[in-house]
Amino acid sequence: GAGVSQTPSNKVTEKGKYVELRCDPISGHTALYWYRQSLGQGPEFLIYFQGTGAADDSGLPNDRFFAVRPEGSVSTLKIQRTERGDSAVYLCASSSQGVSQETQYFGPGTRLLVL
Amino acid sequence: SQQGEEDPQALSIQEGENATMNCSYKTSINNLQWYRQNSGRGLVHLILIRSNEREKHSGRLRVTLDTSKKSSSLLITASRAADTASYFCATALTGANSKLTFGKGITLSVRP
Repeated sequence: GAGVSQTPSNKVTEKGKYVELRCDPISGHTALYWYRQSLGQGPEFLIYFQGTGAADDSGLPNDRFFAVRPEGSVSTLKIQRTERGDSAVYLCASSSQGVSQETQYFGPGTRLLVL
Repeated sequence: SQQGEEDPQALSIQEGENATMNCSYKTSINNLQWYRQNSGRGLVHLILIRSNEREKHSGRLRVTLDTSKKSSSLLITASRAADTASYFCATALTGANSKLTFGKGITLSVRP
């Protein structure tokens, strides 16, 4: 079946602008994760949804970052007043139930460049 | 913060040779997973080993886990040029929160 998809693949924006990044998880997966990967680093956790609710948002770096998953499927990561330091690849993953011993399936990522 | 640390940071081998990559972590875990990433994009899950397991195999992959040393190793046997990629270990803690904590990764180059 279809894997995790993310749109757009690439996003170039100017400092101070607002951006939205979309993630479509695998159908039926209740858990959805957002990670951010800077150049030369491993992915870093941002936020985890179990259904519609954010079960853990401890990785969001500041209040400019916000994510929603209103119907428990598609999720949108929103970044306000973007800064050059926000430039990274934003990865989304989903898993069936969100328990520790499950595989997380990753999307191809959105490469965000803030000029 | 990143819990896992992979070693070496970069590895270059000849096709057909074995590649061994190591990962160390700091806190108690529920499981440890290895992922592969090509060209800085999506990660592909390779193998998961639970904290009560010591060794696991999947095709040409062999992973070991030593919880007393808080370390894991990934062995790729009979490497191929297509194995060229970045490899990450990731740990999941016990409990309801299943977020993964990744290391910085190892860059593997397999020369044809």
